[in-house]
Amino acid sequence: AQTVTQSQPEMSVQEAETVTLSCTYDTSESDYYLFWYKQPPSRQMILVIRQEAYKQQNATENRFSVNFQKAAKSFSLKISDSQLGDAAMYFCAYRSAVRGFGNEKLTFGTGTRLTIIP
Amino acid sequence: DTEVTQTPKHLVMGMTNKKSLKCEQHMGHRAMYWYKQKAKKPPELMFVYSYEKLSINESVPSRFSPECPNSSLLNLHLHALQPEDSALYLCASSQRLAVDQPQHFGDGTRLSIL
Repeated sequence: AQTVTQSQPEMSVQEAETVTLSCTYDTSESDYYLFWYKQPPSRQMILVIRQEAYKQQNATENRFSVNFQKAAKSFSLKISDSQLGDAAMYFCAYRSAVRGFGNEKLTFGTGTRLTIIP
Repeated sequence: DTEVTQTPKHLVMGMTNKKSLKCEQHMGHRAMYWYKQKAKKPPELMFVYSYEKLSINESVPSRFSPECPNSSLLNLHLHALQPEDSALYLCASSQRLAVDQPQHFGDGTRLSIL
């Protein structure tokens, strides 16, 4: 079974600065998908960024980028130019790429609560 | 604005009540999901529907009964719930039930059992 670990329960960053949230995972599979979801106090889970394990290039979405280290099983999220609206709980998630019953589920980490200091 | 709409946003019910949670999406997605999220915990998958058929049931107690009457609508019928069932219930959808399809979440229904 796959596991996802987020070792930082809480992080804070000054507005306009850069912050990195860490995520590690454990799997025996070679092909999979990794996601970062953001859940602000409004409760909706919002997809921030997605990485396909077979792609070596790190995914980027505007101010959000990842550092994907497949051998180390590490998938960190970097937020540049932090904004007040970035304050939220951030969940790292894993999904198997093996097609089969039950493999479609997302395995989430325990989350990191990010606070933005004005 | 979320493209997955959940109603009601809040629900308080007694242990003997029967109520339903509703989820709606008009993105043409054919896979829909129910998650349960306790405070300060990640979401836990409950059910998955694919093309209106139940595809995954994560050993959820029978007091939770899902229903997918059409491709846009997903219900969760609640009966004889326990206090530990108090949680945020999130609905999500994806284009298809495929591993490369991202899930789009609603705002959730916060359920409190008295």
